[in-house]
Amino acid sequence: GENVEQHPSTLSVQEGDSAVIKCTYSDSASNYFPWYKQELGKRPQLIIDIRSNVGEKKDQRIAVTLNKTAKHFSLHITETQPEDSAVYFCAASGGTSYGKLTFGQGTILTVHP
Amino acid sequence: GAVVSQHPSRVICKSGTSVKIECRSLDFQATTMFWYRQFPKQSLMLMATSNEGSKATYEQGVEKDKFLINHASLTLSTLTVTSAHPEDSSFYICSAPLTARVVGKQFFGPGTRLTVL
Repeated sequence: GENVEQHPSTLSVQEGDSAVIKCTYSDSASNYFPWYKQELGKRPQLIIDIRSNVGEKKDQRIAVTLNKTAKHFSLHITETQPEDSAVYFCAASGGTSYGKLTFGQGTILTVHP
Repeated sequence: GAVVSQHPSRVICKSGTSVKIECRSLDFQATTMFWYRQFPKQSLMLMATSNEGSKATYEQGVEKDKFLINHASLTLSTLTVTSAHPEDSSFYICSAPLTARVVGKQFFGPGTRLTVL
């Protein structure tokens, strides 16, 4: 089955700085890669996603890049704000695990004012 | 957007009792739903895939006789934790894709916090 590794496990930045979280996946047939933000006790919220036929996608301060050859994808948050503080999860789906999401271990992002 | 609800949001029960958690797709039909478990400070782990009209598919290491899943309609899946024990205390979250035909966005329920005393 699919295996997703996520780094770093914690990330601390100053307000206004950029934050980058990286994930690698094992199943070359996976074709859908969402990123979620989860606040304590709440459901995961989709913040951006990318499909395997696209190399990069951007939505205001958030961007995701995908390198299919290397099987890794990254989340980039620019101009971070304290409200960006949360746990972020990457996930992969498709391929042999059709429809099922395999999550990374999560990254605790703290943005200091 | 599509909405998925879960009930109850919190439940506290005694060891040995059974607890039922409902997951509903409110404005779309879901032939497939997924059940995840999340322990404190950990990631979401898929427990099983709930299939409308057929048996659920369980992930390796998940006891199907302990975690009973029923998907009797296109909008409702239930997870019953039988003979719950303290180690079953966790955050249970369901999700449903808008369509089972194309791999893509899933909609999560708000989760159920289970505490077994």
